[in-house]
Amino acid sequence: GENVEQHPSTLSVQEGDSAVIKCTYSDSASNYFPWYKQELGKRPQLIIDIRSNVGEKKDQRIAVTLNKTAKHFSLHITETQPEDSAVYFCAARQSGSARQLTFGSGTQLTVLP
Amino acid sequence: NAGVTQTPKFRVLKTGQSMTLLCAQDMNHEYMYWYRQDPGMGLRLIHYSVGEGTTAKGEVPDGYNVSRLKKQNFLLGLESAAPSQTSVYFCATQQVTLGVEQYFGPGTRLTVT
Repeated sequence: GENVEQHPSTLSVQEGDSAVIKCTYSDSASNYFPWYKQELGKRPQLIIDIRSNVGEKKDQRIAVTLNKTAKHFSLHITETQPEDSAVYFCAARQSGSARQLTFGSGTQLTVLP
Repeated sequence: NAGVTQTPKFRVLKTGQSMTLLCAQDMNHEYMYWYRQDPGMGLRLIHYSVGEGTTAKGEVPDGYNVSRLKKQNFLLGLESAAPSQTSVYFCATQQVTLGVEQYFGPGTRLTVT
């Protein structure tokens, strides 16, 4: 099955700086890569996603890049704000009928004011 | 619309007791999933369902059973709870369409003593 590794596990940045979180996946047939944000005590919520036929996608201050050859994808957050502090999870969707997601272990991002 | 709801929000069980967690959705989504979330381990898939009357095992199914008698409900059962099942449980739903996000419920925090 799919295996997703995520780094770093914790990340602290100064407000206004950029943050980058990286994930690698093992199944070359995976074709959909979402990123979820989970605030303390809340449910995970999708913030951005990318499909395997696209190399980069941006949405305001967040962007995701995908390198299919190397089987890795990254989340980039620019101009970080305190409200960006949360746990971020990457995931990869396995090929197959059930659209299962395999999640990375998460990154605790802390934005220091 | 309520979206995805989970019952109960919190529960404390003694080792050996049984319980059922209920996930209910009003979005008419075909796919439903049960995950557990443990510190440092991300979200791991327990069981999933691709439609009414069908269920399948995920990554960590041992000690759990599920049923999907109605399209809108997905039940997760623990027949004989163990301390290793202490976790936060999330239900998620998804449309059939490829690439559409999974929507998560608010979670159930379960402690087994």
